[in-house]
Amino acid sequence: QKEVEQNSGPLSVPEGAIASLNCTYSDRGSQSFFWYRQYSGKSPELIMSIYSNGDKEDGRFTAQLNKASQYVSLLIRDSQPSDSATYLCAVVLTGANSKLTFGKGITLSVRP
Amino acid sequence: SAVISQKPSRDICQRGTSLTIQCQVDSQVTMMFWYRQQPGQSLTLIATANQGSEATYESGFVIDKFPISRPNLTFSTLTVSNMSPEDSSIYLCSVVPQETQYFGPGTRLLVL
Repeated sequence: QKEVEQNSGPLSVPEGAIASLNCTYSDRGSQSFFWYRQYSGKSPELIMSIYSNGDKEDGRFTAQLNKASQYVSLLIRDSQPSDSATYLCAVVLTGANSKLTFGKGITLSVRP
Repeated sequence: SAVISQKPSRDICQRGTSLTIQCQVDSQVTMMFWYRQQPGQSLTLIATANQGSEATYESGFVIDKFPISRPNLTFSTLTVSNMSPEDSSIYLCSVVPQETQYFGPGTRLLVL
């Protein structure tokens, strides 16, 4: 089992819809979780971090963490064409001392 | 956050040669990481470079192939030695100012 897994994608949603991106992780002791957005040809950009169970909202973005089920998700409300990018889930595994383990990423396409 | 610059931004190299990539940060940071992102893939950690100590390499990466220097808290270099076409990738440095990891713009390397 891979340490951090994301749906293979790609994911396509119409403009204005909610995009739901999911990520599961294998290390039950993990405490830090991140979502990065990467536009084509650019480096990853942090959009959300979450450390506690529950929801964390920032503008149109909501991160959800469920440590019991070992999943973290990202919801993008009112999706815009400018949200079209690859979204990378990243986890700091137990004892990793800030080192991130990334999922493979999922490419989101928002149709105008 | 942190402002990170990398040099060169891109390069085309011949097999068998070496390239040194520089990473400069606008503030002092203890933890610095070097990642590789092969075409169409996610990020893979090469090594952790902390000032005042030898770099720590991840499984599959060795110092002879990827020597790293970290002379101070704002600067690091990664050398890709004896390059082959399989080394064609984006190389990214990242730093962790306060629990959150930020990435440089990357160096796009093509080995012919």
